[in-house]
Amino acid sequence: QKEVEQNSGPLSVPEGAIASLNCTYSDRGSQSFFWYRQYSGKSPELIMFIYSNGDKEDGRFTAQLNKASQYVSLLIRDSQPSDSATYLCAVPNSGYALNFGKGTSLLVTP
Amino acid sequence: DAGVTQSPTHLIKTRGQHVTLRCSPISGHKSVSWYQQVLGQGPQFIFQYYEKEERGRGNFPDRFSARQFPNYSSELNVNALLLGDSALYLCASSLGTSSPNYGYTFGSGTRLTVV
Repeated sequence: QKEVEQNSGPLSVPEGAIASLNCTYSDRGSQSFFWYRQYSGKSPELIMFIYSNGDKEDGRFTAQLNKASQYVSLLIRDSQPSDSATYLCAVPNSGYALNFGKGTSLLVTP
Repeated sequence: DAGVTQSPTHLIKTRGQHVTLRCSPISGHKSVSWYQQVLGQGPQFIFQYYEKEERGRGNFPDRFSARQFPNYSSELNVNALLLGDSALYLCASSLGTSSPNYGYTFGSGTRLTVV
């Protein structure tokens, strides 16, 4: 079983700051990693995926992967109150499923 | 173009009853996956169906079953409902079976409450 660990939070950051969300995974052979955003009462929405070591940027979002240390991070620059949500980290398992972490709750305060 | 559609959106059932949840995938997608998300937890994989065949099953009891129809829509059935089955049930569609490697598009989910 490929375990995915996240701090449940809540992580509180002021508007305009950088939010840093972290995820560790157990299977050193994992190749791809996903970040989903889930607003309260809604379904998860894919916001980022990363396959290679290093950084991947998309707008205000940056995913960072460090395979040697087995962690993947999501940075949100210029955080907005609309970014307040739960962020789920996920890793493919057995080729047909995703293993999700419990998610980190982010609160961006005005 | 319609996304993944699930019905019903909300459902209240009594312990011991049976429930059927429905999902229509994105047009052209042949794979449907079902996940259960209990409050405060991440989604847990239940089933994947591709071309009407079960391709993967998570760690759920036999009370849970599913099927996929020729038009690629899918049903999730749960028998003998328990209070612990109360959750958000998510359907995800994808082009093929390896699509977890490329991420999912989820439907809006069915909120099941068992009383």
